[in-house]
Amino acid sequence: AQKITQTQPGMFVQEKEAVTLDCTYDTSDPSYGLFWYKQPSSGEMIFLIYQGSYDQQNATEGRYSLNFQKARKSANLVISASQLGDSAMYFCAMREALHTGTASKLTFGTGTRLQVTL
Amino acid sequence: DTEVTQTPKHLVMGMTNKKSLKCEQHMGHRAMYWYKQKAKKPPELMFVYSYEKLSINESVPSRFSPECPNSSLLNLHLHALQPEDSALYLCASSPADREKAEAFFGQGTRLTVV
Repeated sequence: AQKITQTQPGMFVQEKEAVTLDCTYDTSDPSYGLFWYKQPSSGEMIFLIYQGSYDQQNATEGRYSLNFQKARKSANLVISASQLGDSAMYFCAMREALHTGTASKLTFGTGTRLQVTL
Repeated sequence: DTEVTQTPKHLVMGMTNKKSLKCEQHMGHRAMYWYKQKAKKPPELMFVYSYEKLSINESVPSRFSPECPNSSLLNLHLHALQPEDSALYLCASSPADREKAEAFFGQGTRLTVV
């Protein structure tokens, strides 16, 4: 069974500063994918960034980067130059490898609420 | 088009009512999902459809009945719900057979059972 842990229920960051949101995971599968999603108060889950277990380099997407430390089983999200619009709930999620050629489930951590202040 | 469209956005129903939630995507994704999200909690998987066949049912009560009539549509039929079923119901889709298969989510249906 897989498990995702986000230990920060809430975080504050000043506008234009960088912030790191923590995520650790546990899986016995050698092949897996890690995702970060943003959920504003409107409810929609917005995909931010993906890291595959065999990827050699850390993923980056604009102001988002993923600090992937495989041996420590951590996949922290770094948001640079924070903006007021970044205030939202952030979820780390994991998908195990597909073994049967059919869809597998995406399991979410408990989330971190980020508040960007002036 | 990278949208997943869910209707209705809000729904209030009595415990004896029958209603349906609808979800549509035109990205060619062959995997579709229903998630339930209670306030201040992460989404919890309910069902997964792969190539229009139910592949995962996370022991969801039978008062929730999913249906995938074609590769673009996903329905969730609701009958005899309880007040504790009030939640945000999220639909998602993704490619069915790739590890890097980010799920695209709709805006959800906020369901209140009275």
